[in-house]
Amino acid sequence: DTVLTQSPALAVSPGERVTISCRASESVSTLMHWYQQKPGQQPTLLIYLASNLESGVPARFSGSGSGTDFTLTIDPVEADDTATYYCQQSWNDPLTFGSGTKLEIK
Amino acid sequence: QVQLKESGPGLVQPSQTLSLTCTVSGFSLTSYNVHWVRQPPGKGLEWMGRMRYNGDTSYNSALKSRLSISRDTSKNQVFLKMNSLQTDDTGTYYCTRDRYTTDYYWGQGVMVTVSS
Repeated sequence: DTVLTQSPALAVSPGERVTISCRASESVSTLMHWYQQKPGQQPTLLIYLASNLESGVPARFSGSGSGTDFTLTIDPVEADDTATYYCQQSWNDPLTFGSGTKLEIK
Repeated sequence: QVQLKESGPGLVQPSQTLSLTCTVSGFSLTSYNVHWVRQPPGKGLEWMGRMRYNGDTSYNSALKSRLSISRDTSKNQVFLKMNSLQTDDTGTYYCTRDRYTTDYYWGQGVMVTVSS
């Protein structure tokens, strides 16, 4: 199965720019998606197909990448962005999620 | 509108079989794929498997030997069965429907505890 590797945690201050990375063990083309999950809540889709902003998601969020290296950028970060962020690939079967990056806002 | 709802027992004994049902509305199972995703308490998301619109299935390799996904299109239901449950199978189980090839629509989830 395709393994997606994410950094476990990041801490940034409000107003800063943060990049969350996701590296795939094999190419996933542009079939990479990003989810945000706040404590006690379901995951919500932020970015689909690597760079497409889901409807209703603030334009502070953006995604980029193709092949094996992908990035979720939040600029500027707000206090409400405290959450765990997961990448997911859907190019290779079975689908897989990354282990998540916990974002702390200082 | 698209809706999915999971149902099943909240408590399962170790070594027993988990049976969950996902009842959908607002779309046809013969047109869209339905997935199962789970999340142990305090841990990450795990994609479990998929029932494709054409009846084909695919599974997470780590679960493949224990997991079966089936459906009844006449009842708009997708079923998950997983045997030999252990305590680390405790978690919230979601069924989802795809869009843009990802898990776009989510059910509310059902909490399953594996305990004697």
